[in-house]
Amino acid sequence: AAGVIQSPRHLIKEKRETATLKCYPIPRHDTVYWYQQGPGQDPQFLISFYEKMQSDKGSIPDRFSAQQFSDYHSELNMSSLELGDSALYFCASSRGTSGSYNEQFFGPGTRLTVL
Amino acid sequence: QKEVEQDPGPLSVPEGAIVSLNCTYSNSAFQYFMWYRQYSRKGPELLMYTYSSGNKEDGRFTAQVDKSSKYISLFIRDSQPSDSATYLCAGRGYNKLIFGAGTRLAVHP
Repeated sequence: AAGVIQSPRHLIKEKRETATLKCYPIPRHDTVYWYQQGPGQDPQFLISFYEKMQSDKGSIPDRFSAQQFSDYHSELNMSSLELGDSALYFCASSRGTSGSYNEQFFGPGTRLTVL
Repeated sequence: QKEVEQDPGPLSVPEGAIVSLNCTYSNSAFQYFMWYRQYSRKGPELLMYTYSSGNKEDGRFTAQVDKSSKYISLFIRDSQPSDSATYLCAGRGYNKLIFGAGTRLAVHP
């Protein structure tokens, strides 16, 4: 079965640089979620999109922005990178945002290292 | 206080043992409760989810939710070395998941 695709899988950036992470949801999934997982920590919700509109917002820094495109893929843009941004970034997708369709399936993650 | 509390372990059991993993939560708005399994450097994999209170069984796995005590449990029967991973519980209110810290489980032969 098709899964969530994330690219790149690994990314190394310098402080103050910009990074763009991409997420391709499971076919027919219209909702995308972004989570950040620091070393030894649980995933923290950043932001979500349903039908290309922002549906919920968590602890996402102002330096980060995201959007969902017409083909439902999503991009997380991160600017002025800081050392503390080094983490695993997961994208998850689901079909709809409520009821029994809310099963969120996670991608393999993008490991971002900021030097 | 975190909205979902989970003992990080580690928990070490012999192969074939029954494993009990537990979480407590404080947000009464949670309606769905999930259990994810995460292997090292991999994305969380959805094991099961339950709606409101009650039990749900899937093979060797049983999930329980007691909303009166705000307690979530996952039982693994006949545990296998391949079950060695971090198990994350999560609650869902609107649409975002709030995770516990994850419990590291090691099943040794």
